[in-house]
Amino acid sequence: EVQLLESGGGLVQPGGSLRLSCAASGFTFNTYAMSWVRQAPGEGLEWVSSVTHSGSRYHADSVRGRLIISRDISRNTLFLEMNSLRAEDTAIYYCARGFEGMDVWGQGTTVTVSS
Amino acid sequence: QSALTQPASVSGSPGQSITISCTGTSSDVGGYNYVSWYQHQPGKAPKPIIYDVSNRPSGVSNRFSGSKSANTASLTISGLQAEDEADYYCSSYTSIRTLVFGGGTKLTVL
Repeated sequence: EVQLLESGGGLVQPGGSLRLSCAASGFTFNTYAMSWVRQAPGEGLEWVSSVTHSGSRYHADSVRGRLIISRDISRNTLFLEMNSLRAEDTAIYYCARGFEGMDVWGQGTTVTVSS
Repeated sequence: QSALTQPASVSGSPGQSITISCTGTSSDVGGYNYVSWYQHQPGKAPKPIIYDVSNRPSGVSNRFSGSKSANTASLTISGLQAEDEADYYCSSYTSIRTLVFGGGTKLTVL
């Protein structure tokens, strides 16, 4: 069964850091693009970043330089390194398979940025 | 990159058909056949229901259909059912190698 399982969310102070993980199973991880999408409280879905199957990385302007996508192919795991966090980064963060279209989604992990 | 434009809400009675529009520009919706639609219900992961403008993933009801004309994509749900009540989002690949979502449309089944 194809599955994505996010972890690493929690409460962090403004300016702090956090690393999200997404463990993938049931498919050949390194042959797919992978993405992070978030949903702030009361808001819609927002694309955060993607990494292609060849390793090219793309980020939304709102997070570029602060939130960085990476992957460990040997561990079938996707990461989102989150630095200089702001209140507006508070959201549920979803890991998804794909880029132009996302066909498998995790259940999400919640990040709260607050003092 | 501005969000794609969707109506905030639509409603319909069981059995009816509804259409949700998703308007972008020639740099996203109009320039690529990479428009997707997602159904999002509270507490659940978003569920893909249309990809590449008009294709349905395996297991998705044929009551869901997608199309595109110029810079506007559309999602039509026919034979509306109570279980269709959810938020619906469109997304499109863009010319600057990003992805952009619509603001979301809340579907109410009366």
